[in-house]
Amino acid sequence: DAKTTQPPSMDCAEGRAANLPCNHSTISGNEYVYWYRQIHSQGPQYIIHGLKNNETNEMASLIITEDRKSSTLILPHATLRDTAVYYCIVRGFGNEKLTFGTGTRLTIIP
Amino acid sequence: GAVVSQHPSRVICKSGTSVKIECRSLDFQATTMFWYRQFPKKSLMLMATSNEGSKATYEQGVEKDKFLINHASLTLSTLTVTSAHPEDSSFYICSAKAGADFEQFFGPGTRLTVL
Repeated sequence: DAKTTQPPSMDCAEGRAANLPCNHSTISGNEYVYWYRQIHSQGPQYIIHGLKNNETNEMASLIITEDRKSSTLILPHATLRDTAVYYCIVRGFGNEKLTFGTGTRLTIIP
Repeated sequence: GAVVSQHPSRVICKSGTSVKIECRSLDFQATTMFWYRQFPKKSLMLMATSNEGSKATYEQGVEKDKFLINHASLTLSTLTVTSAHPEDSSFYICSAKAGADFEQFFGPGTRLTVL
């Protein structure tokens, strides 16, 4: 699976949109982009995934560039409960395994 | 989403003893379960993958005789840390998926402290 690069940490003001970038320049055509988050001392939580089209669900939006080499996770109205480590993972279709990188530690500031 | 539980949530044991951690899928049948380990301020590292009724597949560097995994039913997998030592102290997390579904549902984790 392609490697991902994320900034180690970010801050965002409560109520503002949090935009978390991820670089996956070596992604191949059959690989999906997944986002998970892990709140302190809890198991990871699935957020969203996509292949090439932008995706939106009740938690977040995922914007994937046209060349698929990078993506951005958007939390539209961040709350204090969104403080967590966010992991961007690239996984090939049919590959069961999730390979977690170091992620981005997002801190929502009151 | 589906619910995965782990028991116990925390365990403290003496060096040399064995500890069993349970992972249960509460509202779905988990054909595949995964076990991860996470050291403080580090990312999750996959230890092994288990399919119901068959032997677990361990990642490189993980000792299968030390970390015994059993997945005897579609709702339960167990991880036994045998002859635990202080360096085995970690946060152990399981996840489960059903059939060909892509999504893994994670348990809340078990914090193991070996004295």
